[in-house]
Amino acid sequence: SAVISQKPSRDICQRGTSLTIQCQVDSQVTMMFWYRQQPGQSLTLIATANQGSEATYESGFVIDKFPISRPNLTFSTLTVSNMSPEDSSIYLCSVDGEEHFGSGTRLTVV
Amino acid sequence: GQNIDQPTEMTATEGAIVQINCTYQTSGFNGLFWYQQHAGEAPTFLSYNVLDGLEEKGRFSSFLSRSKGYSYLLLKELQMKDSASYLCAVRAHRDDKIIFGKGTRLHILP
Repeated sequence: SAVISQKPSRDICQRGTSLTIQCQVDSQVTMMFWYRQQPGQSLTLIATANQGSEATYESGFVIDKFPISRPNLTFSTLTVSNMSPEDSSIYLCSVDGEEHFGSGTRLTVV
Repeated sequence: GQNIDQPTEMTATEGAIVQINCTYQTSGFNGLFWYQQHAGEAPTFLSYNVLDGLEEKGRFSSFLSRSKGYSYLLLKELQMKDSASYLCAVRAHRDDKIIFGKGTRLHILP
């Protein structure tokens, strides 16, 4: 199965700033998924990123707030823009056909 | 719509057996997943069921009945390290996103 590396593993950020999270896979994949898990909640899909096309966002998530890049078949980034304390969550990536997740990014906004 | 239900919390005793139930109503079915998640960490894959029946993997077993929209995760010989949240998730269609239940927080008492 694919190995998914994610960084940073954690960060503490000031409100109003932005953070870019990276997800690297050791093999080529078609789709990459970005999830958010707010404290005490389950995982919610933010968007699906296909190489060569715009990401598809789920209801309640918009590109201006969570811009995503997918420059090739092994890499994607998720940016959390203009952060507020409500964005404090664990952010996770996964890939199609795989049941595993990246190690996650634990974001705290102060 | 898509809906996955599982109990919010359960408590069991070290050395005992516990069964965590999950029921789902989804637009299709292409597999059911169970994940373990310790606080502050990414989910860890436990099992995947796509056909009816019981899948056993060490101390953990997972059962699926597609006709009933029902699954359970069985944990035997409970250990303190099994204290975690257990997430039930369903993929409704091939190459589609995974939909998560809210998770069951399992407390193990000595």
